[in-house]
Amino acid sequence: GQNIDQPTEMTATEGAIVQINCTYQTSGFNGLFWYQQHAGEAPTFLSYNVLDGLEEKGRFSSFLSRSKGYSYLLLKELQMKDSASYLCAVMDSNYQLIWGAGTKLIIKP
Amino acid sequence: GAGVSQTPSNKVTEKGKYVELRCDPISGHTALYWYRQSLGQGPEFLIYFQGTGAADDSGLPNDRFFAVRPEGSVSTLKIQRTERGDSAVYLCASNFPRSTEAFFGQGTRLTVV
Repeated sequence: GQNIDQPTEMTATEGAIVQINCTYQTSGFNGLFWYQQHAGEAPTFLSYNVLDGLEEKGRFSSFLSRSKGYSYLLLKELQMKDSASYLCAVMDSNYQLIWGAGTKLIIKP
Repeated sequence: GAGVSQTPSNKVTEKGKYVELRCDPISGHTALYWYRQSLGQGPEFLIYFQGTGAADDSGLPNDRFFAVRPEGSVSTLKIQRTERGDSAVYLCASNFPRSTEAFFGQGTRLTVV
């Protein structure tokens, strides 16, 4: 079956760095996505990786290793507004998005 | 439109009733997805449209759920004989086929009492 695993919850301090991991097992691979979702709101796109390596976009970076079925989202200089759920999703061979349950990130002052 | 629009934003219905949830995608987006999201969970795939046809409806949980997209733009998700377990946020997303980004609507929060 297809499976996306990520931690349920993480806590970090304002101004610090946090890494949210995601491992996956899917039928084919056409890219991995990270979305941010604030409580009661729709998910919003953060990043897309299809090749191995690190993609940097401002305070957020996303890493992919296809051979290991592994990705992480790195958030730097954390701000209180970064408190949200972070969803990992993989596009499978049918171009369908398979979603993880999300990681709830709590930022403390 | 400027973004994906879903109506209503909230719907409370009695067990056994019929409901319709509407999604108006971004203009020009031929791919449209319906998801269901329960509290603390990631989105659960329901159905995917490419144009007017349902390219994949394998996520619909049972025959009480049905969706249409007659003109290839607006889609309606229909739920018959609603049950309390149907309570969730129903999300709609659209994009160009095989695009790297899907745009989500704000969702419809369905509560079955």
